[in-house]
Amino acid sequence: SYVLTQPPSVSVAPGKTARIACGGNNIGSETVHWYQQKPGQAPVLVIYFDGDRPSGIPERFSGSKSGDTATLAISRVEAGDEADYYCQLWDSNSDHYVFGPGTKVTVL
Amino acid sequence: EVQLVESGGGLVTPGGSLRLSCAASEFTFSSYTMSWVRQAPGKGLEWVSSISIVGSFIYYADSVKGRFTISRDNAKNSLSLLMNSLRTNDTAIYYCARGYCRGGTCLTDYWGQGTLVTVSS
Repeated sequence: SYVLTQPPSVSVAPGKTARIACGGNNIGSETVHWYQQKPGQAPVLVIYFDGDRPSGIPERFSGSKSGDTATLAISRVEAGDEADYYCQLWDSNSDHYVFGPGTKVTVL
Repeated sequence: EVQLVESGGGLVTPGGSLRLSCAASEFTFSSYTMSWVRQAPGKGLEWVSSISIVGSFIYYADSVKGRFTISRDNAKNSLSLLMNSLRTNDTAIYYCARGYCRGGTCLTDYWGQGTLVTVSS
């Protein structure tokens, strides 16, 4: 089955840009979605179809793909962006949702 | 605003059963696929099961296949998950999530607040 990889943690200073990588076999040919989960809360979709933002999500959140890596970027990071971030795709070979292991973003 | 409210969680002994429910409102329930996603304490998200609009297509994670049964009642705007032969590693918060599929991919665009299932003797 398809496996996604993410770094366990990313630290970033306020006002800087955080980049969270999501790796997978030939992920460039897949469509990736991203979720934010703050402590004690349900996940929230922040990026879908690789780079689209749902209404209400700040423009500071963006998604991209290059080669075998999809990336969620958070520019002008704020304290309120501290959360776990998960990438996700649909594995059409197995008809399964696949989530990455998650990345904890810490704002210094 | 889309509303998804889970219920039915609780403490159950290993080998026991539990039925979770999800009440949906503020959207046309019968037009969306629905899913259950769980999160063990301190762990990441794990997809459990999905059901298509009229229930024609049902998918399960290998970890629950043969033990869990997903179903929906479009007349009552309700999603269910019947969990049998529960194991200690089924302990998790179970989220109900609305699905959206297009162009060969699927995502979950709205989530409930979750219901905690604890499997312990």
